[in-house]
Amino acid sequence: EIVLTQSPDFQSVTPKEKVTITCRASQSIGSSLHWYQQKPDQSPKLLIKYASQSISGVPSRFSGSGSGTDFTLTINSLEAEDAATYYCHQSSSLPFTFGPGTKVDIK
Amino acid sequence: QVQLVQSGAEVKKPGASVKVSCKASGYTFTSYGISWVRQAPGQGLEWMGWISAYNGNTNYAQKLQGRVTMTTDTSTSTAYMELRSLRSDDTAVYYCARGTEYFQHWGQGTLVTVSS
Repeated sequence: EIVLTQSPDFQSVTPKEKVTITCRASQSIGSSLHWYQQKPDQSPKLLIKYASQSISGVPSRFSGSGSGTDFTLTINSLEAEDAATYYCHQSSSLPFTFGPGTKVDIK
Repeated sequence: QVQLVQSGAEVKKPGASVKVSCKASGYTFTSYGISWVRQAPGQGLEWMGWISAYNGNTNYAQKLQGRVTMTTDTSTSTAYMELRSLRSDDTAVYYCARGTEYFQHWGQGTLVTVSS
């Protein structure tokens, strides 16, 4: 099973600041890495697919990069509405797995 | 627009079974698989498996093998997830999502509580 680790676990950020969340896979997964945002009591929302592909309707301040084992989700100019937990997810190898999540709080 | 509407919350005793439904609309049901993901209270997301709405092929998480069955009814565009021999650690919100690799559309979630 491929294990995904995320860092940091928690980040408290001021509005307009840049946020970088990393996801590391225990073995190479190519570009089969996706990012989700989940706000309290809501279903997850897809932000980025296949490491760097944008999703229609997602603000352009969200971007993704990486391949192999190391991936990054970047939020440029954080807004208050971006307070949420962010998860990475790999679909390279069964069983598919999720990272443990990174909680982003607004100062 | 794509919608996935799930059945309501359930309370079950240990050892019982639960069947959660997920009714899809706004797209051709058989063109996409349906995946199931669960989330225990205060915890992260756990992939449970997926089913092809086209041919019924399934793939389940090994830890749930033997206890979970995913099915579809193409006449009503509805997917089902049945979990048997429920334990307290099956208490979670269960989500259906469209797709088998990434999940762009999600149901609203169904809380399943297992308690004696």
